[in-house]
Order: sequence, then C-alpha cells, then structure tokens
Amino acid sequence: EAGVTQFPSHSVIEKGQTVTLRCDPISGHDNLYWYRRVMGKEIKFLLHFVKESKQDESGMPNNRFLAERTGGTYSTLKVQPAELEDSGVYFCASSQRQGDGETQYFGPGTRLLVL
Amino acid sequence: GESVGLHLPTLSVQEGDNSIINCAYSNSASDYFIWYKQESGKGPQFIIDIRSNMDKRQGQRVTVLLNKTVKHLSLQIAATQPGDSAVYFCAEILNNDMRFGAGTRLTVKP
Repeated sequence: EAGVTQFPSHSVIEKGQTVTLRCDPISGHDNLYWYRRVMGKEIKFLLHFVKESKQDESGMPNNRFLAERTGGTYSTLKVQPAELEDSGVYFCASSQRQGDGETQYFGPGTRLLVL
Repeated sequence: GESVGLHLPTLSVQEGDNSIINCAYSNSASDYFIWYKQESGKGPQFIIDIRSNMDKRQGQRVTVLLNKTVKHLSLQIAATQPGDSAVYFCAEILNNDMRFGAGTRLTVKP
C-alpha cells in the first residue's frame, strides 16, 4: 500500500512569489492534516480536513495560506505571497477515521525555502 | 536532507547500550500519546503509542512509559543500533488535536 506522498520535495522561491504544495493521502483515509516545522522548533498543526471539509483550521498562520481538498482526495496548500518566515518543512499526514486516537501517517514533507 | 535540530536536545549513546528519551507534555487531559521517529530527509514515522489508562507499553526493542502525575513520557530503546539515530518526537492527542514536542536528536556511536 502506498504511503502519504508530497510534492514537491523541495521548493526554493523568492519572497513575494506563490508556491503550491500537494499532498496525496493514503487511499481511503478521510482525515488529512497539514503541519509545519520551522527550523529547530516543534512541529505545529496547521489544519485538518475530513474528506473535503475543513474540520479545524485554527493553526493556519494568516490569510496568505490557503488549503483545499476538492473531492476529498489530494490536498493543496498554497502560500501567496510567500514571506521569509514561511520557510520550513511542511508535512502532511492522513488517518483512516476520526476518534479513537487513530494513528496519523506522515508524508516525507516539502522543504520550503523563501529567499 | 532536512537541516533541523540545531537547537534540539541531544542524546549520544554507544551502540548496544539502552537509550532513554524523555518528553514533558502540556495538557493533563491528553488521552493518547505517540512516539515518532524522524530520520534525515524523511517524515515522522510511528514507533509506539500508549493510552492514558496505561502506564507502560512494550514493543519490539522499545518501551514507552507514561507518568500522568508529572505529565512525563519516556521512550526506552533497548540495545540501540546505528539505525536508531534520528530525531524522536512525542505527540500528545486530545480529541484529535495533536501537539508535538520539540524533539530529541539521538546519535548512536559505533
């Protein structure tokens, strides 16, 4: 069974540009999560989808970040315009069902560097 | 690979020794805990979990201990191997809200 995949693996952009990150969860997983890790700091929650609906987006830092999950399959996270402090590693995770402490399986992450 | 952990706590052990990695969690109501391992250039991988109604759980070469009184979680790795070198995160979960610790970098010396 394929795991969670993310694209691209790395992205280097200039301040003010737009970047779109993609996450493909494990097939059949309704729950999809985005996290971010800024260098040297803890992983922080961004948002949670259940199928195509945003269940919790309390971790989204500001309105420059837009996440979508049309059709309840893959998800995109767009940063527009990117700022220097957006640099970090963006992880996606998916789980099969909500509740019961269902384990989240992580993708390899997208390493974003904003210059 | 990912350049992380410049300011992470570090633990260096000799191959074959046992490792103990500690984590303090923040919410006394958290009811589920997971230890993740992150190798360079990869995403976090599930190692072992434990629910709040338990205080110990064993896996293959790993044991997780939970002390709810002091909100402390530990991961014990027996007979540490070079392949165990990675950053280890604990995660606390309450109602599907998952929060991670900063992580500890484990280095295994041959």
